[in-house]
Amino acid sequence: DAGITQSPRYKITETGRQVTLMCHQTWSHSYMFWYRQDLGHGLRLIYYSAAADITDKGEVPDGYVVSRSKTENFPLTLESATRSQTSVYFCASSESLLAGGVRNEQFFGPGTRLTVL
Amino acid sequence: KQEVTQIPAALSVPEGENLVLNCSFTDSAIYNLQWFRQDPGKGLTSLLLIQSSQREQTSGRLNASLDKSSGRSTLYIAASQPGDSATYLCAVDTSGSARQLTFGSGTQLTVLP
Repeated sequence: DAGITQSPRYKITETGRQVTLMCHQTWSHSYMFWYRQDLGHGLRLIYYSAAADITDKGEVPDGYVVSRSKTENFPLTLESATRSQTSVYFCASSESLLAGGVRNEQFFGPGTRLTVL
Repeated sequence: KQEVTQIPAALSVPEGENLVLNCSFTDSAIYNLQWFRQDPGKGLTSLLLIQSSQREQTSGRLNASLDKSSGRSTLYIAASQPGDSATYLCAVDTSGSARQLTFGSGTQLTVLP
């Protein structure tokens, strides 16, 4: 089915382990994003990508690494997981900017609930 | 730094009532404002997108308005139904930001049958 998918949907890991969260979209959207959602903080941007091989930091990038070798995939890696990274992670995508700087809406995946013990 | 506030934090209404959810933002230099719905344990579903040059958008029983100069948006839900129960989030895409949506904390809506 077309859309944006995330895997795994649930993950439990231990402090210090490396974890990779996957995101795949079938729309060929240029932009992809990673957010985390926490009680008391709402949704915050971790990293985003404007195209394959172009990535940039968001509001809370520390402890995370991203890559984008293909347009449709945007994996998020926690190199050494910490308890503070326990959260729900959402991937989103959006078409490229329109003429005149008009920005398109972002579409979100179902989320990955990550618990770091 | 852009800040987005949603009031009320929670709202409970009887079925059939019309209701208004509020969203305010501090920096009026925005590209657009987007309303989302989030069901418990689920992702975000985009409801309406209002570009900065627009005043309102409508989709079915939903109508969203935008007053950029005053930093306010409202989401109007007509003839509410129990299936409308969810958390409603507004988010703004601010000019000059790295395509970062700034989200409000949401309004948790319960529509009682």
